Amino acid sequence: EIVMTQSPATLSVSPGERATLSCRASQSVSSNLAWYQQKPGQAPRLLIYGASTRATGIPARFSGSGSGTEFTLTISSLQSEDFAVYYCQQYNNWPPLVTFGPGTKVDIK
Amino acid sequence: QLQLQESGPGLVKPSETLSLTCTVSGGSISSSSYYWGWIRQPPGKGLEWIGSIYYSGSTYYNPSLKSRVTISVDTSKNQFSLKLSSVTAADTAVYYCASPSRGNWFDPWGQGTLVTVSS
Repeated sequence: EIVMTQSPATLSVSPGERATLSCRASQSVSSNLAWYQQKPGQAPRLLIYGASTRATGIPARFSGSGSGTEFTLTISSLQSEDFAVYYCQQYNNWPPLVTFGPGTKVDIK
Repeated sequence: QLQLQESGPGLVKPSETLSLTCTVSGGSISSSSYYWGWIRQPPGKGLEWIGSIYYSGSTYYNPSLKSRVTISVDTSKNQFSLKLSSVTAADTAVYYCASPSRGNWFDPWGQGTLVTVSS
């Protein structure tokens, strides 16, 4: 089973600043990595898939990078609506097993 | 626009079976080449994948839940369902169903439904 870890658990950032979130896989997942944003009381929203492809309608300030076991989500200039919890997810095309990371909470500094 | 909606009892007694259905609208379960998923989130905690199903009925489950989980599909109703047996308070969570996209990541998700396990 592939285990996902995320760091830091909480990231305190001022509006307008850059946020860098990390996700690590216990073994290589190639580029089979997605990022989600979740706000309180809402379902997760897809941000990034394929490690670096933004989903439809996602602002350009969100970018993803990495491959293998190390991945990064960068929010270039935090807006008020970006304060949320961010999860990474690895997925296999075959077999279709899925694992989520524990999440990083981005809050206001 | 694809939409998913979870339905089922919000309260289940310990040792009983939790049953939920996900109804898909705006698209066909049979049209996807990937697996539809169930994910849960205990209050205040992170996301846990429960399992996924293909429109043909092929399933894959989280090894930690595999002995208690059954996921099934009804393509005639455009629905897929979750059964979790022998529930305990640890199974209290918001349960989400989710659509695969052009791979086994999930987009969109249903709004989620809270299931509480309590006597």
